[in-house]
Amino acid sequence: GAVVSQHPSWVICKSGTSVKIECRSLDFQATTMFWYRQFPKQSLMLMATSNEGSKATYEQGVEKDKFLINHASLTLSTLTVTSAHPEDSSFYICSARDPTVSYSEQYFGPGTRLTVT
Amino acid sequence: GQNIDQPTEMTATEGAIVQINCTYQTSGFNGLFWYQQHAGEAPTFLSYNVLDGLEEKGRFSSFLSRSKGYSYLLLKELQMKDSASYLCAVMDSNYQLIWGAGTKLIIKP
Repeated sequence: GAVVSQHPSWVICKSGTSVKIECRSLDFQATTMFWYRQFPKQSLMLMATSNEGSKATYEQGVEKDKFLINHASLTLSTLTVTSAHPEDSSFYICSARDPTVSYSEQYFGPGTRLTVT
Repeated sequence: GQNIDQPTEMTATEGAIVQINCTYQTSGFNGLFWYQQHAGEAPTFLSYNVLDGLEEKGRFSSFLSRSKGYSYLLLKELQMKDSASYLCAVMDSNYQLIWGAGTKLIIKP
């Protein structure tokens, strides 16, 4: 199956700083990528849909000025958590669809565990 | 509104069979997915159903009834490594995935 990578796999940062997470599709071009957040013992929560070359579509309740998404190429989307606070500590997961496959499952990256101290 | 329901937690014995149910109400339907997620890891794809019936893949099978808005994931010959959360997700008319809260499966020896 297709491979999606994420970097970093874990990060610890101080409150008030910004953190950038990268999501790459390694063997296919992804016009659409998805960013999820998952708190302990809870299910995936879609934060936003990232579209190559255009603005991301954010889910209700997700602050677009706090979670900056850039999908500058067909293989790379980035999520920047700005002015991070301890409540932003979570597991952030990206996924991508292969547009050449009609139904296409979402291929998930391995996730990034963010801890804000 | 859109809704996916699945049990929060199930327990089964190693070597046994377990069925995890999922019911859904969504705006449109373009298929139903089952994913497995081990603690601290990202989900991995298990199955996809878009037509009614049973899809078998080794020890795992997935069933779909579109008229009933119902699916189940059947796991046979359970192994300890099958302890994980199992996520049901439906692709709606906009090709967005609507996720269930997941079923935590606990396997006991």
